[in-house]
Amino acid sequence: GIQVEQSPPDLILQEGANSTLRCNFSDSVNNLQWFHQNPWGQLINLFYIPSGTKQNGRLSATTVATERYSLLYISSSQTTDSGVYFCAVLKTSGSRLTFGEGTQLTVNP
Amino acid sequence: NAGVMQNPRHLVRRRGQEARLRCSPMKGHSHVYWYRQLPEEGLKFMVYLQKENIIDESGMPKERFSAEFPKEGPSILRIQQVVRGDSAAYFCASGRAGALDEQFFGPGTRLTVL
Repeated sequence: GIQVEQSPPDLILQEGANSTLRCNFSDSVNNLQWFHQNPWGQLINLFYIPSGTKQNGRLSATTVATERYSLLYISSSQTTDSGVYFCAVLKTSGSRLTFGEGTQLTVNP
Repeated sequence: NAGVMQNPRHLVRRRGQEARLRCSPMKGHSHVYWYRQLPEEGLKFMVYLQKENIIDESGMPKERFSAEFPKEGPSILRIQQVVRGDSAAYFCASGRAGALDEQFFGPGTRLTVL
């Protein structure tokens, strides 16, 4: 099956700092989504981004499908950004999302 | 527009009992996916259903687990004769137009097996 690797596995920031999270995948994909799992366990959709660049407030994401990676940028981080960020991909001709192991982000005040 | 709904949010069962988890997709969505998240791990696909059809169940254990999405009513994930290793968070997602479409997740059901 397709492999999804996220880096870094853990990230600790001070409030106000910027960060970049990376997602590498091993095969061509038709769908890529970024999620934030908050400390209460809920999965929040951040981006649906099979290719290109999108921005939503302090967050933006870029997927370069031909090079098999995606980046999630968080600017001016806040304590409420803490949690686990997951990348999930749908392999071409597949029917399931395959999740990476996530990046655990902690933003300290 | 209500999101994906799951109930119960928390479920405690003793070993050997049955667990039934329910999922109501977002309005207008006819595709449902179930995922399982073990402690400290990412989510793993279990099964993909459309109304009255199982499209892909390759991620679901062959014994004790079953899923359905009837013409009327919510999707049900059923676990018979639960064991401690079934303790996990079970998430349901729904989509409008198939696997290529964006999937939206419910709040999950946290199953604890004593």
